[in-house]
Amino acid sequence: NAGVTQTPKFQVLKTGQSMTLQCAQDMNHEYMSWYRQDPGMGLRLIHYSVGAGITDQGEVPNGYNVSRSTTEDFPLRLLSAAPSQTSVYFCASSYSDRANYGYTFGSGTRLTVV
Amino acid sequence: SQKIEQNSEALNIQEGKTATLTCNYTNYSPAYLQWYRQDPGRGPVFLLLIRENEKEKRKERLKVTFDTTLKQSLFHITASQPADSATYLCALGTDKLIFGTGTRLQVFP
Repeated sequence: NAGVTQTPKFQVLKTGQSMTLQCAQDMNHEYMSWYRQDPGMGLRLIHYSVGAGITDQGEVPNGYNVSRSTTEDFPLRLLSAAPSQTSVYFCASSYSDRANYGYTFGSGTRLTVV
Repeated sequence: SQKIEQNSEALNIQEGKTATLTCNYTNYSPAYLQWYRQDPGRGPVFLLLIRENEKEKRKERLKVTFDTTLKQSLFHITASQPADSATYLCALGTDKLIFGTGTRLQVFP
């Protein structure tokens, strides 16, 4: 039982490049989400999914794309990287009954856009 | 707009004392509230959850209260230890989980 696995742990991109941050969970959680964490801003929700085939926008979705083809995986795509997307990205998952269960977070991806 | 405030950026406390962290919110009616611990370079770790109809929840040395009238949650760590030093995040939930910016707790011997 690995929990939530994020890859890569570190990434440097040039402005305009695209990439996909991977997130996988083995707990059969229906709910998955992506957050970014910036100094002084806290964790901000980018996109989330309540189940396979269903995604929705969070607080800061611009510049990011997601899909959920399986219960286990929830990749985050940066379409055209910008320096403002330099951040630490966390994937989190939970059971659909989120009023009774906490979220499990991955260890994060530290992204730098130059 | 919705706003979550955690009482201070940093809290220093002596070992053995009780640490009390505050989470206040406005323009929000959460169904539940959660507290997380985050160590440097790591993802948040879930500690406790309390629902809107609950006043208090305990787990070992941790206690959380939730006052929906005051729009406030208090998080207590009793008999604090240096190993409790970390950043503590409160998060409010309905269909989404919204986080505060956190309070950095330092417990010194």
